[in-house]
Amino acid sequence: GNSVTQMEGPVTLSEEAFLTINCTYTATGYPSLFWYVQYPGEGLQLLLKATKADDKGSNKGFEATYRKETTSFHLEKGSVQVSDSAVYFCALDSNYQLIWGAGTKLIIKP
Amino acid sequence: GAGVSQSPSNKVTEKGKDVELRCDPISGHTALYWYRQSLGQGLEFLIYFQGNSAPDKSGLPSDRFSAERTGGSVSTLTIQRTQQEDSAVYLCASSPLQTTLGYEQYFGPGTRLTVT
Repeated sequence: GNSVTQMEGPVTLSEEAFLTINCTYTATGYPSLFWYVQYPGEGLQLLLKATKADDKGSNKGFEATYRKETTSFHLEKGSVQVSDSAVYFCALDSNYQLIWGAGTKLIIKP
Repeated sequence: GAGVSQSPSNKVTEKGKDVELRCDPISGHTALYWYRQSLGQGLEFLIYFQGNSAPDKSGLPSDRFSAERTGGSVSTLTIQRTQQEDSAVYLCASSPLQTTLGYEQYFGPGTRLTVT
């Protein structure tokens, strides 16, 4: 069945460091791919999405490219800030459901 | 505009009691989802409502769990005879259309359920 695997956390970085959070998926067809973020004390919210191969989703300085050849959707940011500390979830749509990764906690130290 | 709201925000109950969790989706959203998020885990799909169609209950973990959606809007998730393993954050989300069309799901703040 469809599944999402993302790197385990926590990931701890210093401010202004480069960020990569890996996400790979297994799916039939061409699902849409999503990154959601959960800031401390807040609800889940969509960070970015890509709906077809080679699409690049971007928002708030974060980017992820839909790579069908490697079945990946890695999240990147060139220079992280303390305010980026949160839990990040990769997900794909499977029919009408979202299949979720386990989440990666990101901690940014000043 | 108003987002997805859930109530209560926190619920502590004794093992064996029944609980009801409420979700008010964004007005006009036809799709409504319930998920469960256990500590340190990803989201576990529970149930999906789409318009007037029969709900997909395939994610409900046992027959103690049920959900309904009245008038295509408000939804209630009911857990009967609660067990300690039911302790989790229960999240509700709504979407204007099916996610397969690339529409995002909008999440409520969740209800933290603790079964003692």
